[in-house]
Amino acid sequence: GQQVMQIPQYQHVQEGEDFTTYCNSSTTLSNIQWYKQRPGGHPVFLIQLVKSGEVKKQKRLTFQFGEAKKNSSLHITATQTTDVGTYFCAGQQRDDKIIFGKGTRLHILP
Amino acid sequence: KAGVTQTPRYLIKTRGQQVTLSCSPISGHRSVSWYQQTPGQGLQFLFEYFSETQRNKGNFPGRFSGRQFSNSRSEMNVSTLELGDSALYLCASSLETGRLTHGYTFGSGTRLTVV
Repeated sequence: GQQVMQIPQYQHVQEGEDFTTYCNSSTTLSNIQWYKQRPGGHPVFLIQLVKSGEVKKQKRLTFQFGEAKKNSSLHITATQTTDVGTYFCAGQQRDDKIIFGKGTRLHILP
Repeated sequence: KAGVTQTPRYLIKTRGQQVTLSCSPISGHRSVSWYQQTPGQGLQFLFEYFSETQRNKGNFPGRFSGRQFSNSRSEMNVSTLELGDSALYLCASSLETGRLTHGYTFGSGTRLTVV
């Protein structure tokens, strides 16, 4: 069936270090979206990537969509305590369903 | 503009009962999707409604159902509740261009506890 795998499940980093989470789909995606969920909150939309090989930046966050439109990554440079939360990727499938990865929980050590 | 509103925020039910959850999307959004979030399984897709029609459905038993009204408000219903139905139920609305969804706006969710 349709699956979106996300790794790692957990990541502990020292404040100021970089962080990357990876997303892989078993099928080709129409687009991929990234969300952030703070502890006790709900997912908040960060960005959407549509084109093969697309790269987008938001301040310290860099998002990439693979050439085959089956994988994606989110990289955070110089993490801050405000980056704490769980980061989800969500792939829109060819049948238009949006399937979420299980998320990467980021914990920042001061 | 107002965000996605879900009611109630918290609910405690006993096994065997049924429950109805409500979602009001952002004005102008015609697509409403429902997700179940649990610590072990993450966000699991329940169903999506667009213009009062169920457009997609996840792999949940028939006890889970939903509908959408002409004003785009949506409800989901779970009958014969089981302990495993305890979860955060999230509603999300979105704009669409053709078949491309422009990112979800999630509500704060309904925390359902089945005892």
